Amino acid sequence: AQSVTQPDIHITVSEGASLELRCNYSYGATPYLFWYVQSPGQGLQLLLKYFSGDTLVQGIKGFEAEFKRSQSSFNLRKPSVHWSDAAEYFCAVGARSGYSTLTFGKGTMLLVSP
Amino acid sequence: ETGVTQSPTHLIKTRGQQVTLRCSSQSGHNTVSWYQQALGQGPQFIFQYYREEENGRGNFPPRFSGLQFPNYSSELNVNALELDDSALYLCASSADRGRQEAFFGQGTRLTVV
Repeated sequence: AQSVTQPDIHITVSEGASLELRCNYSYGATPYLFWYVQSPGQGLQLLLKYFSGDTLVQGIKGFEAEFKRSQSSFNLRKPSVHWSDAAEYFCAVGARSGYSTLTFGKGTMLLVSP
Repeated sequence: ETGVTQSPTHLIKTRGQQVTLRCSSQSGHNTVSWYQQALGQGPQFIFQYYREEENGRGNFPPRFSGLQFPNYSSELNVNALELDDSALYLCASSADRGRQEAFFGQGTRLTVV
């Protein structure tokens, strides 16, 4: 069975500083990988996805993520955080066979300090 | 192009009651998945509907059931509500059952008292 681990429950970053959110997955092959963002009381917005090809993927709002097969990781990065980035971030994996469902991590809450 | 819309946005029910949540999928999408997100947790897959038939189910009891209509909108029904059913219920649509990219609605916040 596939699983996702986001080791950091909360992260606090100063505005303008760089950000890296960690994600490790467990899956028998190379999965589809996603990062979603959720503002309080809202649904999930897709930031970026990895299906195949270039292991560094660019997303919306200046985010990027790098797939590292050897480490089973898909960490999310942003060079300079803005106060509006404060939200909860979820990493998810999808299987390459069968039906298209997602397995999510428990999320990392990003707090941005002035 | 319309996005995924869910109704109602908030709901309070009493333990033992039944509830129906609704979802309109994104235009052109024929696959709808439902997820339950408990407080402080990531979303958990409940089930998926593809062209009006259940296409997969997560680890949820049979009192969680669903429907998909010819226009690909969907309902989630929960019978005999329990306090632990209190959660944000998210609907996601995708272009086809094999397509992994899912677009989520804003969710329905269900509180069971």
